[in-house]
Amino acid sequence: DTAVSQTPKYLVTQMGNDKSIKCEQNLGHDTMYWYKQDSKKFLKIMFSYNNKELIINETVPNRFSPKSPDKAHLNLHINSLELGDSAVYFCASSQGGASSYEQYFGPGTRLTVT
Amino acid sequence: EDKVVQSPLSLVVHEGDTVTLNCSYEVTNFRSLLWYKQEKKAPTFLFMLTSSGIEKKSGRLSSILDKKELFSILNITATQTGDSAVYLCAGGPGRNQFYFGTGTSLTVIP
Repeated sequence: DTAVSQTPKYLVTQMGNDKSIKCEQNLGHDTMYWYKQDSKKFLKIMFSYNNKELIINETVPNRFSPKSPDKAHLNLHINSLELGDSAVYFCASSQGGASSYEQYFGPGTRLTVT
Repeated sequence: EDKVVQSPLSLVVHEGDTVTLNCSYEVTNFRSLLWYKQEKKAPTFLFMLTSSGIEKKSGRLSSILDKKELFSILNITATQTGDSAVYLCAGGPGRNQFYFGTGTSLTVIP
């Protein structure tokens, strides 16, 4: 009964490749997020998305693109991977609206680009 | 530029001590501040604060927000080794955008 799940847990790939990370939540939440956590543990939001609005952090390269086939899924696609993309990527979800921003995080995907 | 700054960066205490973690923020159209605990894997939610001066408590943990001075504190009393973790705070304008601080790494020694 995992709330937010991500696959794969680990991903090792070479520079220049294109890869995707999948995220699914079974909480019925209407907003999903992608975060990048670097080696210094700094957690940075990349995208937030609900069925109405995609908010993109302007510092995210356009090689990164979120894709949402339905409300329960938000996948992260990365083109032309670079060494600096190595990090742990967390997916999260929340029930949007004014009263709650409590976010539930997935277990993370450790991406290593060689 | 919006930012959230946490201090100290790291802290080592003995079991039974009380600790205070600090979080200051500069967030345009600020609406809420969140605290998370991150052990080995994903962050887990602790508190959400939206109103100034109202303390939120959960067991030995408590937190309060000061919207005038733009900061929040997280207190942990009677610390235990299980409290060892990175504590993250995040401030957001409420449009599904949050700015996280770099975290405070807390180590509790038996």
